Amino acid sequence: DAGVIQSPRHEVTEMGQEVTLRCKPISGHNSLFWYRQTMMRGLELLIYFNNNVPIDDSGMPEDRFSAKMPNASFSTLKIQPSEPRDSAVYFCASSPLQYQPQHFGDGTRLSIL
Amino acid sequence: QKEVEQNSGPLSVPEGAIASLNCTYSDRGSQSFFWYRQYSGKSPELIMSIYSNGDKEDGRFTAQLNKASQYVSLLIRDSQPSDSATYLCAVNPYSGNTPLVFGKGTRLSVIA
Repeated sequence: DAGVIQSPRHEVTEMGQEVTLRCKPISGHNSLFWYRQTMMRGLELLIYFNNNVPIDDSGMPEDRFSAKMPNASFSTLKIQPSEPRDSAVYFCASSPLQYQPQHFGDGTRLSIL
Repeated sequence: QKEVEQNSGPLSVPEGAIASLNCTYSDRGSQSFFWYRQYSGKSPELIMSIYSNGDKEDGRFTAQLNKASQYVSLLIRDSQPSDSATYLCAVNPYSGNTPLVFGKGTRLSVIA
């Protein structure tokens, strides 16, 4: 079975540009999570969805960040405008239910110049 | 704020030794506990889960849970250089209906 699929794998862009990260969860998983990972702060939960509905976005750092899940098989995380401090690895993960262990995608390594 | 604490390391052990990774958590009512392994430049991968006090063994890995002490550990026997990675502890808080809380991870280095 396919795992969680993220795209792009790498993104390099200039400050001020809009960045869109994409995620396809594992089929049948009802919960989807967006994380950001840095050396300093470790793995931070940004937002999670249950059945396509955003449940908790308290981890989203600023209004520049937004996430959507228009259907059970697709989610996006947008940063607009991007800033150098947004540079990190962004992971998408999914699980059958929100309290169950999560399966992670390969991540998007984002560099904002 | 529910917290999961891990020593960041690096923890260095010689090849063939036992590596012991520790994790403490703040929510006394936490229900379930997981260990993830993350190789450099890769994503976290679930390797162990434990739900009740005591030991759970899977190959060279043993997870140990002590709920009274709010402590969970991962032992890796006969450590290999391929075990060198960061190990993340994750805990399901008492509320049960919320996502896992992750520690920052312990970096393990197995020296050949």
